[in-house]
Amino acid sequence: DVKVTQSSRYLVKRTGEKVFLECVQDMDHENMFWYRQDPGLGLRLIYFSYDVKMKEKGDIPEGYSVSREKKERFSLILESASTNQTSMYLCASSIPPGTSISSSGANVLTFGAGSRLTVL
Amino acid sequence: AQKVTQAQTEISVVEKEDVTLDCVYETRDTTYYLFWYKQPPSGELVFLIRRNSFDEQNEISGRYSWNFQKSTSSFNFTITASQVVDSAVYFCALRLTGGYQKVTFGIGTKLQVIP
Repeated sequence: DVKVTQSSRYLVKRTGEKVFLECVQDMDHENMFWYRQDPGLGLRLIYFSYDVKMKEKGDIPEGYSVSREKKERFSLILESASTNQTSMYLCASSIPPGTSISSSGANVLTFGAGSRLTVL
Repeated sequence: AQKVTQAQTEISVVEKEDVTLDCVYETRDTTYYLFWYKQPPSGELVFLIRRNSFDEQNEISGRYSWNFQKSTSSFNFTITASQVVDSAVYFCALRLTGGYQKVTFGIGTKLQVIP
């Protein structure tokens, strides 16, 4: 089974701290994603990456950056955490978009368990 | 831009009742994928189904069934004879085909099945 592992399940940080959220997947997926989940807002895409050292902004990239130095690892960075970044952060991965449309796994996201971040 | 609407934010049913979760989507593209994911209380989203835009055939998997209607831009999910283990948040999602397209999620429907 594909596994997406997020390094921290719960974090508590102070305003202004730099925060690293790590995500590792073990199935050689090209695509990786970071979402945040908030009540009433669903999942919103922060950043995604379709290859090593490649990244694309999602819907809400402000206040975040990402790093993809290795294929299996996709890190989300909060340069200076703020209270409005208190949220559940979800990492996901998938096989490439060019995969045949008939492929059973094409475009299916596999999620990690999430990292709940509280910024005080 | 695409959009997914799940108008039901919370639903409560008594065990063994049938329940339908609604999903309406908007896109100008003619080819796309639709998905349903389940998020149990443990937190990890789990993939349930993917449907291609050119395949309107309904699907049944055990107690789960999905009704895809392009004419109404809907992709509804029905659970028959609900069980307590079905209690979760369910997300409908849309992804356009071609290139590096993002997945757009609805806000989710929280289903509570009461014993």
